[in-house]
Amino acid sequence: GAGVSQSPSNKVTEKGKDVELRCDPISGHTALYWYRQSLGQGLEFLIYFQGNSAPDKSGLPSDRFSAERTGGSVSTLTIQRTQQEDSAVYLCASSRLTENYGYTFGSGTRLTVV
Amino acid sequence: AQSVTQLDSQVPVFEEAPVELRCNYSSSVSVYLFWYVQYPNQGLQLLLKYLSGSTLVKGINGFEAEFNKSQTSFHLRKPSVHISDTAEYFCAVSASGGSYIPTFGRGTSLIVHP
Repeated sequence: GAGVSQSPSNKVTEKGKDVELRCDPISGHTALYWYRQSLGQGLEFLIYFQGNSAPDKSGLPSDRFSAERTGGSVSTLTIQRTQQEDSAVYLCASSRLTENYGYTFGSGTRLTVV
Repeated sequence: AQSVTQLDSQVPVFEEAPVELRCNYSSSVSVYLFWYVQYPNQGLQLLLKYLSGSTLVKGINGFEAEFNKSQTSFHLRKPSVHISDTAEYFCAVSASGGSYIPTFGRGTSLIVHP
């Protein structure tokens, strides 16, 4: 597609439930990033995928968070046993590293845990 | 590791006035620098980036930024703002070698009044 696509755009879930957030990067972009944006907190790095290399998971806040990227394309961020503090906008970005690090962001998934 | 400080959380300005949004960074290595804009309920859009060469970088929508290595700053400027420039602006830094994970500031909310 022409841009980075994220789904769903909005998700309301009950505390304790698991959620899955999806990201479709731009075709040909080998790098994929997940960020979390909380009110007034800027963007918090979560995880980074680059090609077939092992992902950089250094930003994941707890073991309830995990992500995978299948076939070097679509990525899914999973949050298990959601807590109210997980409420945020989850942003996905992709880039083609040979193009001098221009990152293209999706519109995000707004997660609300009630 | 890198860090970014955006000194102003909110900048109010009248239409057609000039504006400067401040960004300072910290890094032990050479860096790439970026400014992104986020309109309500949208993802982040790249305004401009500094990779190397001329320290004055021009971007979209009439914005420009100047890289000042001695002051570790990358302030964003526009000589005359429009109502449509009202948005959240994020400064970001990434290491020019090794990890390509950008670190973002907390954002500056630009509010343009008529």
